[in-house]
Parts: sequence; C-alpha cells; structure tokens
Amino acid sequence: GESVGLHLPTLSVQEGDNSIINCAYSNSASDYFIWYKQESGKGPQFIIDIRSNMDKRQGQRVTVLLNKTVKHLSLQIAATQPGDSAVYFCAENAGGTSYGKLTFGQGTILTVHP
Amino acid sequence: DTGVSQNPRHKITKRGQNVTFRCDPISEHNRLYWYRQTLGQGPEFLTYFQNEAQLEKSRLLSDRFSAERPKGSFSTLEIQRTEQGDSAMYLCASSPGQADTEAFFGQGTRLTVV
Repeated sequence: GESVGLHLPTLSVQEGDNSIINCAYSNSASDYFIWYKQESGKGPQFIIDIRSNMDKRQGQRVTVLLNKTVKHLSLQIAATQPGDSAVYFCAENAGGTSYGKLTFGQGTILTVHP
Repeated sequence: DTGVSQNPRHKITKRGQNVTFRCDPISEHNRLYWYRQTLGQGPEFLTYFQNEAQLEKSRLLSDRFSAERPKGSFSTLEIQRTEQGDSAMYLCASSPGQADTEAFFGQGTRLTVV
C-alpha cells in the first residue's frame, strides 16, 4: 500500500550543528507534505509544509526540500538547539479534498547534545 | 489557550469498559480529525468530520469505535468494550477546511487498558 517512511530512525548532533532529517514517500499522487515535531507526551506540532509544485521552502531556521523525481523529502534545521530535541515526522496528504487527512511516517528521533 | 483541547489527558480503564474522549477544536475550524498513535509510530488516521458530517472512516475504526460531532463544534470518540490493544494516544486535530492548510493537533488522550 501507499506509505511514507524515514531513512534514519535516530539522529544525534551537537548544539550549533545543522541537522538533516530525510523521508521517502511512495504515493506519487500526494501533493502536500508537512513536517511535524513531537515532544514527549505532546501532540504533533507543525513545523513547515510544502506543496508539490515547489521544491524548496524556508522558514525560521528550517528548510524543507522536495524531490518529486525520487519521492524524497528532507527537513534541514540550522544551528540546532537542545530545544529541537524531539521526534520528527513527515506526513503526506492522502489525497482528496481533506488536507488534514495525513499519512505519517515512522518518525526520526533527534537528540541535540549541548 | 485557543488551541485544540482534548479531555481527559490520561485515562486508565479495565478491559471491557467503555470510554469516551472529548475534543474541542480551534474555533471556526470546520474540519476535525481523529488519529491514533502507538508507541514509536506515527499517528494513524481514524476519521474526520466536515462540520457535523462524518465524511470518512478508516478501516482501523472497528465497530466498537464511534465518533460524533453533533453540533459541528466539539467531538467525542467512544470506544466500547475496550481491549488491551486499544491502548494508545488518541489525537484530535482541526483545520480551517481550506486547501493547503495544516491540521493543528491537540495534546492527545493517553488511554491505558488494563
């Protein structure tokens, strides 16, 4: 079936380094992608999104890259801080008219060491 | 706090009992979603509402699960005859219903069936 997955389940970085979290998706019909951050005991928190007609979008300290040719999505976090430690999920819109109906990947655990 | 609100935050119940969770979406969001998340996994879509109409249900939503949104505002998710496999985090999200807008998640209800 269609799925969204992550290449690396864990990522450890030093404070101040840049982090890159990767995601592969399989549904070529997906047209909207989101990165969420989830801290322990909390719900997912929106970080950044991107439409399929774009290949790059930047936010505050974060950049999302979309490569539709190889169905790959990445999240880049600049100058990673301890507060960035969390589980990061990519999610894709499952199609149709509801953009809140999402298929999530397994998640990547990001640990930032001071 | 004007975010998505879920109650209770935690629920411990004995196997076979019925439980009900409540979700209050962000005001004026006409779409409301329920997800389930087990440890180490990404959230899985269960069902969603457009106003008071339940438009889609996942096959994950067995006959023991029922969701309502009677007035198009808050929603309830009921699980009848709970089983240990129902233990999970139940997440609610809402969105304005416009294309390309993200869903905002609540903090979730952690259910433990003993």
